[in-house]
Amino acid sequence: EAGVAQSPRYKIIEKRQSVAFWCNPISGHATLYWYQQILGQGPKLLIQFQNNGVVDDSQLPKDRFSAERLKGVDSTLKIQPAKLEDSAVYLCASSLESAGTYGYTFGSGTRLTVV
Amino acid sequence: AQTVTQSQPEMSVQEAETVTLSCTYDTSESNYYLFWYKQPPSRQMILVIRQEAYKQQNATENRFSVNFQKAAKSFSLKISDSQLGDTAMYFCAFMNLLSGSARQLTFGSGTQLTVLP
Repeated sequence: EAGVAQSPRYKIIEKRQSVAFWCNPISGHATLYWYQQILGQGPKLLIQFQNNGVVDDSQLPKDRFSAERLKGVDSTLKIQPAKLEDSAVYLCASSLESAGTYGYTFGSGTRLTVV
Repeated sequence: AQTVTQSQPEMSVQEAETVTLSCTYDTSESNYYLFWYKQPPSRQMILVIRQEAYKQQNATENRFSVNFQKAAKSFSLKISDSQLGDTAMYFCAFMNLLSGSARQLTFGSGTQLTVLP
């Protein structure tokens, strides 16, 4: 089966600019996650979707981050305006069953550098 | 809130040798899953092995096995017959199964494993 697709793979922007990341999960996977991975740290959950509804966005900095999942398939994560501390890898993951107890399938991530 | 601790930022092992990566976690719950993920330079997180907390038997997947000590809240990963392709960052992760809570992975800070030829 095709994996989780993410684009772009790399992005460099100046602070205060906006940026968007795209994720296409594995077909049929109802649950989608966005994680932020700062260099040298483990991934941290930003937002979790079940179909096109938000399950948990408690760790999403809503003053600058937004995310949507149109029609319960593709998802977009946006940052506006970006700060230097947003430099990180943004990982998208999906799971077949809502529990996710068999683990997630991750994409290769987008590496964002804010200068 | 659950926390996952990996106290070994870096480790190295000779090819064909065995290495053990440590992980401890903190939770007040009794029902949960534990995972080890591998992240090579390609950045894609790959599931290595999973353990259900209610199962006493340690999980194994080919050269990978775990030592799950529930009372001690310890979950170590043993890699036997290490191969050059095992070089990667390894993350321990926890998932709470509390009814009504969102099922999410909480990750440790990772251990960079280098397999030396």
